[in-house]
Amino acid sequence: GAGVSQSPRYKVAKRGQDVALRCDPISGHVSLFWYQQALGQGPEFLTYFQNEAQLDKSGLPSDRFFAERPEGSVSTLKIQRTQQEDSAVYLCASSPPGTGQDEQYFGPGTRLTVT
Amino acid sequence: DQQVKQNSPSLSVQEGRISILNCDYTNSMFDYFLWYKKYPAEGPTFLISISSIKDKNEDGRFTVFLNKSAKHLSLHIVPSQPGDSAVYFCAADLAYSGAGSYQLTFGKGTKLSVIP
Repeated sequence: GAGVSQSPRYKVAKRGQDVALRCDPISGHVSLFWYQQALGQGPEFLTYFQNEAQLDKSGLPSDRFFAERPEGSVSTLKIQRTQQEDSAVYLCASSPPGTGQDEQYFGPGTRLTVT
Repeated sequence: DQQVKQNSPSLSVQEGRISILNCDYTNSMFDYFLWYKKYPAEGPTFLISISSIKDKNEDGRFTVFLNKSAKHLSLHIVPSQPGDSAVYFCAADLAYSGAGSYQLTFGKGTKLSVIP
Protein backbone atom coordinates (compact mmCIF):
# COMPACT_ATOMS: atom_id res chain seq x y z
CA GLY A 1 0.00 0.00 0.00
CA ALA A 2 0.94 3.64 -0.29
CA GLY A 3 3.20 5.07 2.34
CA VAL A 4 3.43 8.60 3.68
CA SER A 5 3.93 11.03 0.83
CA GLN A 6 5.23 14.57 0.97
CA SER A 7 5.28 17.34 -1.59
CA PRO A 8 7.17 19.04 -2.93
CA ARG A 9 10.26 16.90 -2.47
CA TYR A 10 12.48 19.92 -2.97
CA LYS A 11 11.73 23.58 -2.47
CA VAL A 12 13.97 26.59 -2.98
CA ALA A 13 12.69 29.83 -1.50
CA LYS A 14 14.12 33.30 -1.37
CA ARG A 15 14.52 34.72 2.11
CA GLY A 16 11.28 36.36 3.16
CA GLN A 17 9.01 34.16 1.05
CA ASP A 18 6.24 32.01 2.51
CA VAL A 19 6.25 28.27 1.84
CA ALA A 20 3.72 25.49 2.33
CA LEU A 21 4.75 21.85 2.70
CA ARG A 22 2.21 19.09 2.31
CA CYS A 23 1.98 15.70 3.97
CA ASP A 24 -0.36 12.89 2.94
CA PRO A 25 -0.36 10.33 5.72
CA ILE A 26 -1.21 6.67 5.33
CA SER A 27 -4.99 6.29 5.05
CA GLY A 28 -6.57 5.66 8.42
CA HIS A 29 -3.62 6.90 10.43
CA VAL A 30 -4.83 8.99 13.32
CA SER A 31 -1.59 10.53 14.53
CA LEU A 32 0.58 12.80 12.44
CA PHE A 33 3.95 14.30 13.32
CA TRP A 34 6.25 16.90 11.78
CA TYR A 35 9.99 16.87 12.34
CA GLN A 36 12.77 19.18 11.14
CA GLN A 37 16.14 17.68 10.24
CA ALA A 38 19.01 20.09 9.78
CA LEU A 39 22.13 18.97 7.92
CA GLY A 40 24.15 16.51 10.01
CA GLN A 41 21.55 16.37 12.75
CA GLY A 42 18.83 13.98 13.76
CA PRO A 43 15.16 14.83 13.23
CA GLU A 44 13.76 17.28 15.78
CA PHE A 45 10.11 17.21 16.79
CA LEU A 46 7.99 20.13 15.67
CA THR A 47 4.34 19.29 16.24
CA TYR A 48 1.81 16.47 16.67
CA PHE A 49 -1.80 16.00 15.60
CA GLN A 50 -4.35 13.46 16.65
CA ASN A 51 -6.98 13.58 13.92
CA GLU A 52 -7.58 17.30 13.36
CA ALA A 53 -6.52 18.36 16.85
CA GLN A 54 -3.04 19.77 17.28
CA LEU A 55 -2.11 18.32 20.66
CA ASP A 56 1.49 19.43 20.89
CA LYS A 57 3.23 22.28 19.10
CA SER A 58 6.03 22.74 21.57
CA GLY A 59 8.72 22.11 18.96
CA LEU A 60 7.74 24.84 16.52
CA PRO A 61 10.78 27.17 16.56
CA SER A 62 8.93 30.44 16.13
CA ASP A 63 5.54 31.94 15.38
CA ARG A 64 6.51 31.95 11.71
CA PHE A 65 5.80 28.21 11.72
CA PHE A 66 2.22 27.05 11.52
CA ALA A 67 0.76 23.59 10.94
CA GLU A 68 -2.78 22.48 10.26
CA ARG A 69 -4.71 19.32 9.57
CA PRO A 70 -8.28 20.60 9.11
CA GLU A 71 -9.98 17.34 8.13
CA GLY A 72 -7.81 14.94 10.06
CA SER A 73 -5.96 13.58 7.04
CA VAL A 74 -3.70 15.80 4.90
CA SER A 75 -1.51 18.21 6.84
CA THR A 76 0.26 21.38 5.77
CA LEU A 77 3.26 22.95 7.44
CA LYS A 78 3.53 26.63 6.59
CA ILE A 79 6.57 28.77 7.16
CA GLN A 80 6.15 32.51 6.80
CA ARG A 81 8.92 34.95 5.96
CA THR A 82 11.49 32.18 5.55
CA GLN A 83 14.98 32.68 6.94
CA GLN A 84 18.21 30.91 6.02
CA GLU A 85 18.17 28.98 9.28
CA ASP A 86 14.90 27.35 8.14
CA SER A 87 16.86 25.38 5.52
CA ALA A 88 16.39 21.74 6.46
CA VAL A 89 14.57 18.55 5.54
CA TYR A 90 11.03 18.55 6.90
CA LEU A 91 9.81 15.05 7.70
CA CYS A 92 6.25 13.99 8.24
CA ALA A 93 5.31 10.77 10.02
CA SER A 94 1.99 9.11 10.75
CA SER A 95 0.85 6.28 12.96
CA PRO A 96 -2.34 4.20 13.12
CA PRO A 97 -4.70 4.20 16.10
CA GLY A 98 -3.93 2.11 19.13
CA THR A 99 -0.24 1.69 18.49
CA GLY A 100 2.81 2.75 20.32
CA GLN A 101 5.88 4.67 19.47
CA ASP A 102 7.31 2.12 17.10
CA GLU A 103 4.59 2.68 14.61
CA GLN A 104 5.67 6.06 13.27
CA TYR A 105 5.94 5.75 9.49
CA PHE A 106 8.01 8.49 7.91
CA GLY A 107 7.67 10.11 4.52
CA PRO A 108 10.68 10.92 2.32
CA GLY A 109 10.78 14.53 3.48
CA THR A 110 10.80 17.92 1.80
CA ARG A 111 14.22 19.52 1.46
CA LEU A 112 13.82 23.27 1.90
CA THR A 113 16.65 25.56 0.86
CA VAL A 114 16.32 29.25 1.68
CA THR A 115 18.62 31.50 -0.35
CA ASP B 1 21.71 20.40 25.32
CA GLN B 2 21.59 17.13 23.42
CA GLN B 3 19.62 14.54 25.34
CA VAL B 4 20.38 11.63 22.99
CA LYS B 5 23.96 11.24 21.80
CA GLN B 6 25.50 9.07 19.15
CA ASN B 7 29.18 9.84 19.49
CA SER B 8 30.38 7.90 16.44
CA PRO B 9 29.46 9.67 13.22
CA SER B 10 30.55 6.68 11.16
CA LEU B 11 31.43 3.01 11.41
CA SER B 12 32.90 0.58 8.88
CA VAL B 13 32.50 -3.16 9.27
CA GLN B 14 33.41 -6.15 7.13
CA GLU B 15 30.52 -8.18 5.74
CA GLY B 16 29.66 -11.08 8.04
CA ARG B 17 31.06 -9.41 11.14
CA ILE B 18 29.17 -7.80 13.99
CA SER B 19 28.21 -4.11 13.83
CA ILE B 20 27.76 -2.37 17.18
CA LEU B 21 26.18 1.06 17.22
CA ASN B 22 26.11 2.96 20.47
CA CYS B 23 23.80 5.57 21.95
CA ASP B 24 23.85 7.47 25.25
CA TYR B 25 21.10 9.54 26.80
CA THR B 26 20.98 12.05 29.62
CA ASN B 27 17.29 12.25 30.52
CA SER B 28 16.55 9.53 33.07
CA MET B 29 12.84 9.98 32.40
CA PHE B 30 13.14 8.41 28.94
CA ASP B 31 11.41 5.05 29.08
CA TYR B 32 11.17 3.87 25.50
CA PHE B 33 13.95 3.64 22.94
CA LEU B 34 13.93 3.02 19.21
CA TRP B 35 16.38 2.54 16.38
CA TYR B 36 15.59 3.85 12.92
CA LYS B 37 17.45 3.17 9.71
CA LYS B 38 17.67 5.74 6.93
CA TYR B 39 18.76 5.38 3.33
CA PRO B 40 19.61 8.49 1.27
CA ALA B 41 16.58 10.41 -0.02
CA GLU B 42 14.21 8.30 2.06
CA GLY B 43 12.56 8.84 5.40
CA PRO B 44 13.69 6.92 8.49
CA THR B 45 12.34 3.39 8.81
CA PHE B 46 11.63 1.81 12.19
CA LEU B 47 13.98 -1.05 12.98
CA ILE B 48 13.65 -2.20 16.57
CA SER B 49 12.62 -0.83 19.96
CA ILE B 50 12.97 -1.55 23.66
CA SER B 51 11.04 -0.55 26.73
CA SER B 52 12.89 0.52 29.85
CA ILE B 53 11.54 -2.49 31.73
CA LYS B 54 13.68 -4.74 29.54
CA ASP B 55 17.41 -4.96 28.99
CA LYS B 56 17.40 -6.80 25.68
CA ASN B 57 15.20 -7.16 22.64
CA GLU B 58 16.02 -9.30 19.66
CA ASP B 59 14.58 -9.39 16.15
CA GLY B 60 16.40 -11.58 13.68
CA ARG B 61 19.86 -10.20 13.06
CA PHE B 62 19.16 -7.13 15.19
CA THR B 63 19.46 -6.95 18.96
CA VAL B 64 19.14 -3.88 21.14
CA PHE B 65 20.66 -3.81 24.62
CA LEU B 66 19.68 -1.29 27.28
CA ASN B 67 21.79 -0.42 30.34
CA LYS B 68 19.63 1.96 32.35
CA SER B 69 22.17 2.59 35.09
CA ALA B 70 24.67 3.74 32.47
CA LYS B 71 21.99 5.45 30.34
CA HIS B 72 23.36 3.57 27.39
CA LEU B 73 21.94 1.45 24.63
CA SER B 74 23.48 -0.35 21.73
CA LEU B 75 22.32 -1.97 18.52
CA HIS B 76 24.04 -5.16 17.40
CA ILE B 77 23.73 -6.41 13.85
CA VAL B 78 24.94 -9.95 13.28
CA PRO B 79 25.96 -10.86 10.66
CA SER B 80 26.33 -7.52 8.92
CA GLN B 81 25.32 -7.37 5.27
CA PRO B 82 26.09 -4.75 2.58
CA GLY B 83 22.38 -3.85 2.48
CA ASP B 84 22.68 -2.73 6.11
CA SER B 85 24.76 0.24 4.96
CA ALA B 86 22.71 3.26 6.02
CA VAL B 87 22.47 5.93 8.69
CA TYR B 88 21.16 4.61 11.99
CA PHE B 89 19.35 6.90 14.40
CA CYS B 90 18.75 6.22 18.04
CA ALA B 91 15.58 7.80 19.45
CA ALA B 92 14.03 8.07 22.89
CA ASP B 93 10.58 8.82 24.21
CA LEU B 94 8.78 9.70 27.41
CA ALA B 95 6.13 7.15 26.57
CA TYR B 96 4.88 6.33 30.03
CA SER B 97 6.05 9.44 31.82
CA GLY B 98 3.08 11.61 31.05
CA ALA B 99 4.23 13.53 27.99
CA GLY B 100 1.57 11.76 26.02
CA SER B 101 2.46 13.02 22.59
CA TYR B 102 4.95 10.40 21.49
CA GLN B 103 7.43 13.02 20.39
CA LEU B 104 10.71 11.29 19.70
CA THR B 105 14.11 12.74 20.61
CA PHE B 106 16.71 11.62 18.08
CA GLY B 107 20.48 11.37 18.12
CA LYS B 108 22.55 12.72 15.23
CA GLY B 109 22.95 9.31 13.63
CA THR B 110 25.79 6.93 12.82
CA LYS B 111 26.61 6.11 9.22
CA LEU B 112 27.29 2.39 8.90
CA SER B 113 29.23 1.08 5.94
CA VAL B 114 29.37 -2.69 5.49
CA ILE B 115 32.23 -3.62 3.23
CA PRO B 116 31.72 -6.69 1.00
